[in-house]
Amino acid sequence: QKEVEQNSGPLSVPEGAIASLNCTYSDRGSQSFFWYRQYSGKSPELIMFIYSNGDKEDGRFTAQLNKASQYVSLLIRDSQPSDSATYLCAVNFSGGADKLIFGTGTRLQVFP
Amino acid sequence: EAGVTQFPSHSVIEKGQTVTLRCDPISGHDNLYWYRRVMGKEIKFLLHFVKESKQDESGMPNNRFLAERTGGTYSTLKVQPAELEDSGVYFCASSQASTGVYGYTFGSGTRLTVV
Repeated sequence: QKEVEQNSGPLSVPEGAIASLNCTYSDRGSQSFFWYRQYSGKSPELIMFIYSNGDKEDGRFTAQLNKASQYVSLLIRDSQPSDSATYLCAVNFSGGADKLIFGTGTRLQVFP
Repeated sequence: EAGVTQFPSHSVIEKGQTVTLRCDPISGHDNLYWYRRVMGKEIKFLLHFVKESKQDESGMPNNRFLAERTGGTYSTLKVQPAELEDSGVYFCASSQASTGVYGYTFGSGTRLTVV
């Protein structure tokens, strides 16, 4: 069983729509959760992090965390073609290890 | 502020050769991490330095990989001898605080191809 699981996509949404990206994780004790955006051939770029259950909003991005369901999601409102990229979910598992466990990423395509 | 710098950006070597990758973290960042992405797989942790000390090297694949961080500044990752399965993109990241606080900044990566 994968430790951090994401649908590989591609997820295709029209410009202006809401894109919803989902991630599940296996370690119930995980404390911190991150969303990275990676354009083709580029490095991952941190866009959101969340620690507490509920929603966290930053501009057009909203991260949602449900620890009971071991589920974290990223919503992108008013999607733009420039949002087309691979979105990586990363989790800092419990146990004191100072590292991130990544999912394989979901490719998002926003078409005009 | 300069970001995390890695070089070379690309390296193509033959099986059995040696390659050394370099990472310059953001100035003042004590924590330095190496990760690797093999084609079609997720990004995987290799190791973590705090200053010049190896804090966690549990992700290093085998003893063909050697990482150093002289004086707690830049880091090198040497692969000797390289095998075909070592091909992938090697990312370095740095942070002032530990991972779980704010995440960290990645370098642009080194794409290693072993032929």
